[in-house]
Amino acid sequence: EDKVVQSPLSLVVHEGDTVTLNCSYEVTNFRSLLWYKQEKKAPTFLFMLTSSGIEKKSGRLSSILDKKELFSILNITATQTGDSAVYLCAVGGNKLVFGAGTILRVKS
Amino acid sequence: DSGVTQTPKHLITATGQRVTLRCSPRSGDLSVYWYQQSLDQGLQFLIQYYNGEERAKGNILERFSAQQFPDLHSELNLSSLELGDSALYFCASSVHSGTSGGNEQFFGPGTRLTVL
Repeated sequence: EDKVVQSPLSLVVHEGDTVTLNCSYEVTNFRSLLWYKQEKKAPTFLFMLTSSGIEKKSGRLSSILDKKELFSILNITATQTGDSAVYLCAVGGNKLVFGAGTILRVKS
Repeated sequence: DSGVTQTPKHLITATGQRVTLRCSPRSGDLSVYWYQQSLDQGLQFLIQYYNGEERAKGNILERFSAQQFPDLHSELNLSSLELGDSALYFCASSVHSGTSGGNEQFFGPGTRLTVL
């Protein structure tokens, strides 16, 4: 059974800090790893990483995929209060398997 | 705003009842996915339709069924409702089927179902 484990479960930082969120996975047939940000309701797509795209960056957010060690990290630099959310990691192609998420709280 | 729409936003009903949740995918997307999010189970894949046909099934109960119509909108039917069915139900859509590679899925705002 495919499995995704995220760590830490939650963390609290101050504005301006840099955070690293972790996602490890065990899947029988890897297709892609996706990161989502969930605030009040719907998960918002951030990045998709595949065998052909193991590094992504958008503004203060970046992510890498290590297919050998079966993990991914999501980095957020210069955090802002608007970054406060649950960050979800998922693996799969069509049937996404989600981790439990990391709750990030950024204090001003 | 992802471009995926879901109705209704909230639904309150009683045990034993039947409800229908509706989803319209983003323009151009052929795949529709249904997910259930509860506090104890997290976000769980239920079922996928691609261009009108069922493509993949997850942990979907037999009391639940779905379909995708020719205009590509989808409905999730939940029957004989139990207290434990109370959850957020999300619809997502994507361009491709996702069966052979990576596939970005975009989520709708969800329907919060409360079973009393």
